[in-house]
Amino acid sequence: EIVLTQSPGTLSLSPGERATLSCRASQSVSSSYLAWYQQKPGQAPRLLIYGASSRATGIPDRFSGSGSGTDFTLTISRLEPEDFAVYYCQQYGSSLMYTFGQGTKLEIK
Amino acid sequence: QVQLQESGPGLVKPSETLSLTCAVSGYSISSGYYWGWIRQPPGKGLEWIGSIYHSGSTYYNPSLKSRVTISVDTSKNQFSLKLSSVTAADTAVYYCARHVSRRQFDYWGQGTLVTVSS
Repeated sequence: EIVLTQSPGTLSLSPGERATLSCRASQSVSSSYLAWYQQKPGQAPRLLIYGASSRATGIPDRFSGSGSGTDFTLTISRLEPEDFAVYYCQQYGSSLMYTFGQGTKLEIK
Repeated sequence: QVQLQESGPGLVKPSETLSLTCAVSGYSISSGYYWGWIRQPPGKGLEWIGSIYHSGSTYYNPSLKSRVTISVDTSKNQFSLKLSSVTAADTAVYYCARHVSRRQFDYWGQGTLVTVSS
């Protein structure tokens, strides 16, 4: 089973700042199989990025994804008030199962 | 627009079977895609439970496989989850979602909280 470790656990930033969230896999992951989600309190996760770097429909271009192998990054170029939430990475692995990272909470500083 | 809606009991007794249904609208399950279940214990992260294709082929999280059954009813455009022998550790918000094989979950239901308690 591939384990995804996200860092930091909590990120405190101000609106307008740049956010960089990390997702590290215990084994190499195909970029095609790596996605990022945003979850706000009381809501279902929302797909942001798929294939490591492709934005989902309707996602603003301030969100971008990058990385390959075992290291992936979600970047939010200029934080808007609505971006403060929990972010999860997710992968599909050779063991025929999907796993999620433990999440990064992005909070207002 | 694709919409998913979970339904089922919000309270289940320990050792009993949890049963949930996900009704899909705006897309025919028979047209393709995989349909999955994901859960989230209160205050914790996300765990994939299992998925089903419209043909009925399934695959499950190995850690839950012995207790999970996912089925599909294409005539009603819905799919279902059964989790047997539940304990308090199974208390969670249960989400249904659509996904491409080996890829991302693109449409999610709003989630339903299931509490395991006597």
